[in-house]
Amino acid sequence: GESVGLHLPTLSVQEGDNSIINCAYSNSASDYFIWYKQESGKGPQFIIDIRSNMDKRQGQRVTVLLNKTVKHLSLQIAATQPGDSAVYFCAENRTGRRALTFGSGTRLQVQP
Amino acid sequence: DSGVTQTPKHLITATGQRVTLRCSPRSGDLSVYWYQQSLDQGLQFLIQYYNGEERAKGNILERFSAQQFPDLHSELNLSSLELGDSALYFCASTSGTGNNSPLHFGNGTRLTVT
Repeated sequence: GESVGLHLPTLSVQEGDNSIINCAYSNSASDYFIWYKQESGKGPQFIIDIRSNMDKRQGQRVTVLLNKTVKHLSLQIAATQPGDSAVYFCAENRTGRRALTFGSGTRLQVQP
Repeated sequence: DSGVTQTPKHLITATGQRVTLRCSPRSGDLSVYWYQQSLDQGLQFLIQYYNGEERAKGNILERFSAQQFPDLHSELNLSSLELGDSALYFCASTSGTGNNSPLHFGNGTRLTVT
């Protein structure tokens, strides 16, 4: 089943290349950010998170960068593989609010 | 596998009907969240429970209700269904109250209202 639909931006990359997926947020009070990966027919899967007291955080093959000045978040995937093909969502939260707010998603297509 | 279990996986029903979606959170997680994912609105927060009590409400319609039971499983009840309620419904859980911790999602229930 499809995860999201009609107007998703799409990023197409070659296998082995690095991918960069971007996300903008609007509220300067946002202090917690998270990236999810959603494959067809599945629920969102946690990738990596970052708090606003950090600019960068690294995981296995992934790096999240946070630029609070311009309210921008990015997810970098190194050596992109076919299994990375999915929809990627950023989400944010802020102190005093209980639920994550999700962005609209970016579809990543990895070409062999 | 996130450890969050949702049943059923698919549900097809008619307008005006009532359905119940079920969620079992990860072992040890006290917070349960419900989200709706539709084609035109992405992932929308519906409601949160923590240890049996409602903690936060999002864009949940009055026709929808939820509860969390003593064993921490949760149910989302959708009534007087309309065509526009067709969507994926996700449950997510986390150990804390969710402010600064990742939510772990189940694989959802796909609801089709005909």
